[in-house]
Amino acid sequence: EPEVTQTPSHQVTQMGQEVILRCVPISNHLYFYWYRQILGQKVEFLVSFYNNEISEKSEIFDDQFSVERPDGSNFTLKIRSTKLEDSAMYFCASSSGTRNTEAFFGQGTRLTVV
Amino acid sequence: GESVGLHLPTLSVQEGDNSIINCAYSNSASDYFIWYKQESGKGPQFIIDIRSNMDKRQGQRVTVLLNKTVKHLSLQIAATQPGDSAVYFCAESKNRDDKIIFGKGTRLHILP
Repeated sequence: EPEVTQTPSHQVTQMGQEVILRCVPISNHLYFYWYRQILGQKVEFLVSFYNNEISEKSEIFDDQFSVERPDGSNFTLKIRSTKLEDSAMYFCASSSGTRNTEAFFGQGTRLTVV
Repeated sequence: GESVGLHLPTLSVQEGDNSIINCAYSNSASDYFIWYKQESGKGPQFIIDIRSNMDKRQGQRVTVLLNKTVKHLSLQIAATQPGDSAVYFCAESKNRDDKIIFGKGTRLHILP
C-alpha cells in the first residue's frame, strides 16, 4: 500500500535554530499538506500546496515557515528560527487531486525545541 | 466560523460491545465529513467519510451517521476490539482535496 514517509521521526533543536522537516508524498498525488499537533491537542492545518505554490495557509503559518518541493518527490517544511512553542508533531499529508480518495498522512516528525 | 468538536474526551467500552463516538460541527458549508483514528505515536489514519448529501454510510465494522439538521456526526464501531483503542477525530472539509479541520478527539478505551 502506498504511504507518505517523513524524516526524521524525531528532531531536537535549540531555540532560534532552523529546521527542515522532510516528506515524500505518495508518488501520483498532486496536493500536499502540513499539519501540526501539539501534545494532547487536536491536529491543526498549517499549509496546502498545489501546482508548485501555496494554495492556502493558516494563521499559524507565519513568515517563519516556508514550504518547498525541491524535486519531483520531496516536500519540505522549513522553520526559520524555532521557538519553544513550535514543539509539536508535524504531519505531512497528500491527496490525489481527483477528489476520489482521501488524504493520506505520514507518521509524523516529533519536533522538540529546547 | 469553522469549528468541529466532540462531546466526550474519553469513552470506555467493553470488548465486544458497540462503540458510538459523537461529534458536533458548526460549518454548514462543509461538504465532506471524515473520521480519523490515531494510535499512539502515529499519524491520523482514515476510517470512513461521508458527503453532506448522505445521512449514513457503512464500512467494515464502522458506520458513520450525519444529521445535518442538528449538525451532528457519529461513528459507530461494531463489536469493539482491543485494536480499536485509539483517539478518534472527526473532521470536516469542503472537498477531498481541501484542508481538513479536525475536532478535539475522543480517546476510546477498551475494557477486557
